[in-house]
Amino acid sequence: RKEVEQDPGPFNVPEGATVAFNCTYSNSASQSFFWYRQDCRKEPKLLMSVYSSGNEDGRFTAQLNRASQYISLLIRDSKLSDSATYLCVVSPSGSARQLTFGSGTQLTVLP
Amino acid sequence: EPEVTQTPSHQVTQMGQEVILRCVPISNHLYFYWYRQILGQKVEFLVSFYNNEISEKSEIFDDQFSVERPDGSNFTLKIRSTKLEDSAMYFCASGTSRGLNSPLHFGNGTRLTVT
Repeated sequence: RKEVEQDPGPFNVPEGATVAFNCTYSNSASQSFFWYRQDCRKEPKLLMSVYSSGNEDGRFTAQLNRASQYISLLIRDSKLSDSATYLCVVSPSGSARQLTFGSGTQLTVLP
Repeated sequence: EPEVTQTPSHQVTQMGQEVILRCVPISNHLYFYWYRQILGQKVEFLVSFYNNEISEKSEIFDDQFSVERPDGSNFTLKIRSTKLEDSAMYFCASGTSRGLNSPLHFGNGTRLTVT
């Protein structure tokens, strides 16, 4: 089983749509969870951290289910600028905060 | 907003040559990292560095790789004898603390092409 698994997509959605991405992780000892976005051939950029109680940042909502080892990201009212690859990122417990990246889910928002 | 800077943006080298990739982390950060991303694949952890020593490294980070913080600002990744499969985007990252939810800041990467 892959350490962090995501549906690669692509997801092609019209502007204004709501889209949801899912992610599962294999290491039950994982402590920290993040969503990053990556534009083509650019560096990963932190979108949001994911907290146990779920959290929201504007149009973005992240959820964590530790029992199922499952993370989700919901994007409401999608914009053209949301087109990117969304990376599910997990950090195991331990000393160096090594990040384990999923392969990413590609999103294209269409006009 | 302060940022992590990497040079060069693109490095082309011949197989067997040594390369040094350079990074200037954000000035008050204490934790430094190298990641790589082969084209079309996921971002992979290479090494973390704190207090002038390696904290953790992955199985990718073999004897051909080394890291150094030669002065107060630069953080370098050296590949001693490059192989074709070292061709990838190399990202430097830095962080303020080991805190579980403090984010890493990534540089814009160096594209390494080994011919």
